[in-house]
This record gives sequence, C-alpha cells and structure tokens, in this order.
Amino acid sequence: DVKVTQSSRYLVKRTGEKVFLECVQDMDHENMFWYRQDPGLGLRLIYFSYDVKMKEKGDIPEGYSVSREKKERFSLILESASTNQTSMYLCASSPSGTGNQPQHFGDGTRLSIL
Amino acid sequence: SQQGEEDPQALSIQEGENATMNCSYKTSINNLQWYRQNSGRGLVHLILIRSNEREKHSGRLRVTLDTSKKSSSLLITASRAADTASYFCATDAIYDSWGKLQFGAGTQVVVTP
Repeated sequence: DVKVTQSSRYLVKRTGEKVFLECVQDMDHENMFWYRQDPGLGLRLIYFSYDVKMKEKGDIPEGYSVSREKKERFSLILESASTNQTSMYLCASSPSGTGNQPQHFGDGTRLSIL
Repeated sequence: SQQGEEDPQALSIQEGENATMNCSYKTSINNLQWYRQNSGRGLVHLILIRSNEREKHSGRLRVTLDTSKKSSSLLITASRAADTASYFCATDAIYDSWGKLQFGAGTQVVVTP
C-alpha cells in the first residue's frame, strides 16, 4: 500500500527558530508537494518538486524553502519561524504527469509557533 | 489562489440519507478530483473526473461535472457514520503547465447514527 510519512504529527517551536519538516514516500513518485491547511482556506500549495533537486514555487512560498536531495524525501524549511506560520502542514506525492494523477497525502504535521 | 469553492460549508444528515455537495471553479480545467479528510488525518483521493466526462461512479459515490457551469457535485448515497469527514474538490487548470491542483475550502459532513 502506498505510504507518505511525515516525521512529526505535532511540533512546537519558537519564533525565529529554523524549522525542518520531513516527508518520505515509498512509491517511487516523481512529484512531491508541500501544502499548508488553515480553517476556511483549504489547502494552499507552498512548494512542489517534480524531480530530485528540482523545485517550483507554489502559491505561498514566502518564508519557506525546500530541499529534495533524494527522490523519496522532500523537506520543508521555515527559515525563521513566525507565529503566522502556525498551521497544519501536509505533504503529498504523485506519479509523473500533470493533474490527471491522484495525490497521496501524509497525515500532516500540526505546527505551533510560540 | 483558491480555484474551487464547495457548497455548503457544512452538512449534517442521518445515517441512510444521501449527502450532496457542490464545487464551483473559476477557470477551464483538465480534471477535477474529490478528496476526503477525516479529522486530524491527511486527504484521501476518492474519484477523478476528466473535463470530457459528465458523470462517474465509484461504489456509493457519484460525481457529475458540468463544464459549461464550471461546477461539479459529489453525491454519497446511503450515508454511514464512517462518512463523517471533510470533502474537498481539487482542479487542475488548463493554463497551468505543471498541472498543480487548486483545492477548495471543503464541506464538513457529519453523519449521525
């Protein structure tokens, strides 16, 4: 069965800290995505990657960066955490191709910035 | 940017009843997908319908797509308590060469026994 694993379910950090969220998929998918989910706003795409070392900005990339050194792993980095980055973060993966492929999601990381 | 918008925002029904929710979007699309999210969990893909399709079924799910109205509906028949979840539509716009998905804000469905 396909699996996307996010390293932490809950995380509490302080403002100004550098925060790393990790995501691993075991499906050999080319595409990987980071979203944040806020009440009433649905999912908003932060960054995505279509291949190792390749990345593209999504709709809300400010304050974030990503790293994809290996195909199965996609990391989201909050360079200097701020309270407005408190949110649920969801990682997803999909096979190569465009929007005709389902995305497979991890269970999310609920991040609180104090 | 938020492409899809679901309606209603919340729906409360009893077991055995049908649940219908709608999704409207703004730009022409290639595909439309529906996802379910149980509380505190990630999203699970339910069904994908292509822009040249009008209706699709999967088990107790029925999805329709009307590209002229830029809208879709998801019908869950004979609902069960386990169907309690939030439901999201997601579209990939024709203009987007990457085929990224744009999600709506979701419909929260509560099914009571």
